[in-house]
Amino acid sequence: DGGITQSPKYLFRKEGQNVTLSCEQNLNHDAMYWYRQDPGQGLRLIYYSQIVNDFQKGDIAEGYSVSREKKESFPLTVTSAQKNPTAFYLCASSMTGGFIAEAFFGQGTRLTVV
Amino acid sequence: AQTVTQSQPEMSVQEAETVTLSCTYDTSESNYYLFWYKQPPSRQMILVIRQEAYKQQNATENRFSVNFQKAAKSFSLKISDSQLGDTAMYFCAFMKRLDDKIIFGKGTRLHILP
Repeated sequence: DGGITQSPKYLFRKEGQNVTLSCEQNLNHDAMYWYRQDPGQGLRLIYYSQIVNDFQKGDIAEGYSVSREKKESFPLTVTSAQKNPTAFYLCASSMTGGFIAEAFFGQGTRLTVV
Repeated sequence: AQTVTQSQPEMSVQEAETVTLSCTYDTSESNYYLFWYKQPPSRQMILVIRQEAYKQQNATENRFSVNFQKAAKSFSLKISDSQLGDTAMYFCAFMKRLDDKIIFGKGTRLHILP
């Protein structure tokens, strides 16, 4: 079945550690996204990528980094510079090229700083 | 920069009633897409309905329909004959054509009461 897989579902990080959230898709989509969801804040865009080896900052990119070495994969690293990383993280993908294309979402990763 | 505003943080309606969720957006673009997404308690994001800005006809999907007012930059979602399974967070989203960046509002939490 085609879809987006995020792992792990739950992740615990100690203060000062970097952690990487995985996102893989087999939908052959060019565009991929990372969003952060906090209560009352909706979905805020962290980074997005329209093509391999290229990505753009979203509205809250500080303290995060991404890579896009393969079309299928768009991992997100939460660095120690992110002061308040506890949140629910959603990865998504969509077609590009100007087509009205819905974003397909993974099931999310809940990150907690301990 | 584009913004999406959902003015109703939370709403409750009785089962079988009709409910309308509001969304306004701000953009200088003329060619764009609008979406409504549903996030049930499982937190899996699901596309409800989408609208292309160049189409004057309002989109409909079974019990879900939109009222798209381009000049007013308004995109409300109407749910008819509401069901208990409609209980969820609903997010309005905007995408500029050929940009692929998807911006979400803060969401409306909808409770359908038995």
